[in-house]
Amino acid sequence: GAGVSQSPSNKVTEKGKDVELRCDPISGHTALYWYRQRLGQGLEFLIYFQGNSAPDKSGLPSDRFSAERTGESVSTLTIQRTQQEDSAVYLCASSLESGRSTGELFFGEGSRLTVL
Amino acid sequence: AQRVTQPEKLLSVFKGAPVELKCNYSYSGSPELFWYVQYSRQRLQLLLRHISRESIKGFTADLNKGETSFHLKKPFAQEEDSAMYYCALRGSNAGKSTFGDGTTLTVKP
Repeated sequence: GAGVSQSPSNKVTEKGKDVELRCDPISGHTALYWYRQRLGQGLEFLIYFQGNSAPDKSGLPSDRFSAERTGESVSTLTIQRTQQEDSAVYLCASSLESGRSTGELFFGEGSRLTVL
Repeated sequence: AQRVTQPEKLLSVFKGAPVELKCNYSYSGSPELFWYVQYSRQRLQLLLRHISRESIKGFTADLNKGETSFHLKKPFAQEEDSAMYYCALRGSNAGKSTFGDGTTLTVKP
């Protein structure tokens, strides 16, 4: 598809379980972001990948959170030992980060995580 | 370091009234500024960018480097403008974008 795709769209899990969320960015986009959006709240930056540079992990809230990206393609966000406060919508965005790009971020529809 | 501040978490206006969503930024170089919008049950999307100097859905935003602001304005708000609005900044070296905390706009009939 032409847009950013995220899966699963909805995930319900039990406290203590691990979850993995997937993001397929737009082909050719070098930059990829993960955000968390709690109900009624703003975007909370988690992690930023740009090409082959070391990722900016400054937004990850704890060591239970990790993310990987293979080259300039798919990314997975893993949350270990989930807690109820992890319940949120996790948004992925991609961008063509180059001197000639517009800088626009393209967002996926998000993965809604509910931890019981 | 780059920082974006949206001082209003919630903003409510009546239909037909002017609306201004405030955005202030902190950045040492020449930034690129954006407004994104998230309508109910839709994905977050770009509304406008300062370099285009465009008006989208009646909204405009002017970059004021002296006041380090990029406020979003519309002279006559419509009910369909109700949404969450985010101001974002990208540094001049085409690096990471930084978002503000967002403002939820409600336009009442």
